Amino acid sequence: EVQLVESGGGLGQPGGSLRLSCAASGFTFSSHAMSWVRQAPGKGLEWVSSISGRDGGTYYADSVRGRFTISRDNSQNTLFLQMDSLGVEDTAVYHCAKNVGEWWYPDHWGQGILVTVSS
Amino acid sequence: EIVMTQSPATLSVSPGERATLSCRASQSVNSNLAWYQQKPGQAPRLLIYGASTGATGIPVRFSGSGSGTDFTLTISSLQSEDFAVYYCQQYNKWPLTFGGGTKVEIK
Repeated sequence: EVQLVESGGGLGQPGGSLRLSCAASGFTFSSHAMSWVRQAPGKGLEWVSSISGRDGGTYYADSVRGRFTISRDNSQNTLFLQMDSLGVEDTAVYHCAKNVGEWWYPDHWGQGILVTVSS
Repeated sequence: EIVMTQSPATLSVSPGERATLSCRASQSVNSNLAWYQQKPGQAPRLLIYGASTGATGIPVRFSGSGSGTDFTLTISSLQSEDFAVYYCQQYNKWPLTFGGGTKVEIK
């Protein structure tokens, strides 16, 4: 059974940093691209970032490029999202998601973790 | 950026009736379109990929159609567990983009 468990969320200061982790199990982690998708309170889904399982290539939404960094540790089956220069607009539930191979749509999602940016 | 527009924003349907949801892309996404279902407090669930292929374990009452810029998700006979928000997502071009969602509610 595929499991994706996010951690590292909570309260962040404007201009501060947080690092999200996603522990993956139940599938061959290195064979799949992975993504982060967020959802602001009461709003729809917004893609944040993706990383290839094949070559580690990374992709970002314009709203986070230059501030967020996605990475993965295939030896630990873990996905990361380093979030710097946080703004109030980054307040959302962040979902870790497993993509179908190297296709850019997720077939499994974590329950998500809340990030609140406030002073 | 490809803008995905879903309509209607809210759809009121009686159990057992058919629901038809629309998703339109601002430029062609070929067949690189997925549909998701999300219930309150839950993670999204993949329903359809490749515009018309059902994901594993998805009931046959869910079907997708379309290509290019116009897509449809049809739920042939709504069950109580189908009342939720539905999102489309294009994966043809970066950045990946989602539609704003259609809420299917009980009439």
